[in-house]
This record gives sequence, C-alpha cells and structure tokens, in this order.
Amino acid sequence: EPEVTQTPSHQVTQMGQEVILRCVPISNHLYFYWYRQILGQKVEFLVSFYNNEISEKSEIFDDQFSVERPDGSNFTLKIRSTKLEDSAMYFCASNPIVGGLAYNEQFFGPGTRLTVL
Amino acid sequence: GIQVEQSPPDLILQEGANSTLRCNFSDSVNNLQWFHQNPWGQLINLFYIPSGTKQNGRLSATTVATERYSLLYISSSQTTDSGVYFCAVERDSGTYKYIFGTGTRLKVLA
Repeated sequence: EPEVTQTPSHQVTQMGQEVILRCVPISNHLYFYWYRQILGQKVEFLVSFYNNEISEKSEIFDDQFSVERPDGSNFTLKIRSTKLEDSAMYFCASNPIVGGLAYNEQFFGPGTRLTVL
Repeated sequence: GIQVEQSPPDLILQEGANSTLRCNFSDSVNNLQWFHQNPWGQLINLFYIPSGTKQNGRLSATTVATERYSLLYISSSQTTDSGVYFCAVERDSGTYKYIFGTGTRLKVLA
C-alpha cells in the first residue's frame, strides 16, 4: 500500500542553523501539507501546497519557513534559522482530492522529530 | 475558527475494558478522521469518517455530522492501545486543511 515517507526520522541542530525536512507524498496525490506538533500539544497546521504554490499558511509559518517541490516526488520544508521553539515533530501529509470536496482523506507520514539545541 | 474538543482528556483502563472517546466540533465539517499516536509519535490513521459508522476489528467510530460530534469505541482494550487519540476535522477552507482536537491520552494497564 502506498505511503507517505519522511526523512530524516530525527534531526538535531544548533540554534541558528538551517534545516531541510524531506517528504515523499503518495505519487498520485495533489495536495501536500506540513503540520507541527510541539511535545505534549496538539497537531497544528503549518502550510498547504497545491499546483506548485502555497495555497494557505498559518500564522506560525513566518518568513523563516519555506516549502518547495523540487522535483516530481519530493516535498520539502526549510527552516532558515532555527530557534529553540522550533523543536517539534513535523508531519507531512498528502491527499488525492477525489471528486472535489466529496473525499478528503489525508495520509500522514511518520514524522521528523526536530531538536534545536 | 472551528473549535475541536475531545473528552475525556485522560483515561486509564484495565486490559479488556471497553471505552468511548468523544470529539465535539463547533461548526459543520466536510471531513473527519481519527488517529492514534503511538509511543514513537507516529500518527496512525484509524478512520476516515465524515458521517455514519465504520468498524475495524475492536475499533469502531460513529460521526453524527448534524449534531457536530464523533465517537470512537474501543472494545476489549489491549496495552498496545495506549497512546493519544486525536480527531481532526476539515471545513470548506478551500485548501482542505485539517484542524486537530485536543486529544485523549489513553493508558491501558495489564
């Protein structure tokens, strides 16, 4: 069964460094997402991406964040200058949008745990 | 924005017991999913259930969209059911993003 994959599973970085989190969505899906979960809290929406551009972003997704689909398979989240508060689990998700609004099951990757020291 | 509340926030069960987890949402939704977050932090998709009832083994779920709630039933609980259960809802935002609930932390004791 197709699944969303993410790499790395765990990333440790120093404050101020740039990180790139990678995702491979399911191949025939059209919408891609990044979500974030700070330890012990609920999962929060960061950004959605469709047709090679950002379709919506939350207030969390400031100028330090960017997303890209550099080729036909990868979807990346870049944090330019990491802060301590960026430490979280980051989930990538995708969905096929079958029949427009009628069907929207999102498929989540296993997550990347980012630790900023 | 839409509010998604789950109850109870914490639940401790003896192995073999049954439980019902509830998800209330403050406005109409198009889609709803239930997830189990395992001890490794992975989100396991349990049900895609915008309306009606579904069953998968010892788990079942019911969504009554007109009354703005969904229920997740766990029967004959096992220690491997421990973790956090989240519901997530999607409104017609144009981007189909999901809003997650506050979660129910379940611990099943042997």
